Amino acid sequence: NAGVTQTPKFRVLKTGQSMTLLCAQDMNHEYMYWYRQDPGMGLRLIHYSVGEGTTAKGEVPDGYNVSRLKKQNFLLGLESAAPSQTSVYFCASGHNQGANVLTFGAGSRLTVL
Amino acid sequence: AQSVAQPEDQVNVAEGNPLTVKCTYSVSGNPYLFWYVQYPNRGLQFLLKYITGDNLVKGSYGFEAEFNKSQTSFHLKKPSALVSDSALYFCAVRDQTGANNLFFGTGTRLTVIP
Repeated sequence: NAGVTQTPKFRVLKTGQSMTLLCAQDMNHEYMYWYRQDPGMGLRLIHYSVGEGTTAKGEVPDGYNVSRLKKQNFLLGLESAAPSQTSVYFCASGHNQGANVLTFGAGSRLTVL
Repeated sequence: AQSVAQPEDQVNVAEGNPLTVKCTYSVSGNPYLFWYVQYPNRGLQFLLKYITGDNLVKGSYGFEAEFNKSQTSFHLKKPSALVSDSALYFCAVRDQTGANNLFFGTGTRLTVIP
């Protein structure tokens, strides 16, 4: 059982380039999330989705876009990367029941030069 | 707005000694509280949660946490630390607006010294 899979695991971009991070889950979870992790700041929510075809903004959505065309996939896009987006990105998923437990992917390390 | 605070960036403990990782919360209403652990180059893994009921919650790997409403705390504990417990620990509180999102603390790095 793969759980939550993120690709790619590592990426280096130049300022202004674009890219997409892919998250795939095989647990039939309704909810999916994208977080970024920065030293001393914990995890901060970028965007989330409560179901196929729906997305919503989290705490730090600026500079990112997302799409949830299929229930199992949640894509995070950077249209014009900036050095401030250098971070480790984590995808997570969970059921739509109260106090659910989130399952996290292994992370994607992005460096923007 | 809900939030959690982890007052210690780093906790060092000798192997075999009891450990405590502190967390305080701020929510309106009843909190749903969680502890997650992150090992190097890995995603976060669920340890335990408090929803309601017994104030002492038992979780994975021998960890437990005590919910204290009067002190608004949810400290993580283990009676006897192992070197393999060395990791980054995050406290979290569930978003009460309905999206089941979690608000995380800044994390506490636990180092167990052999």
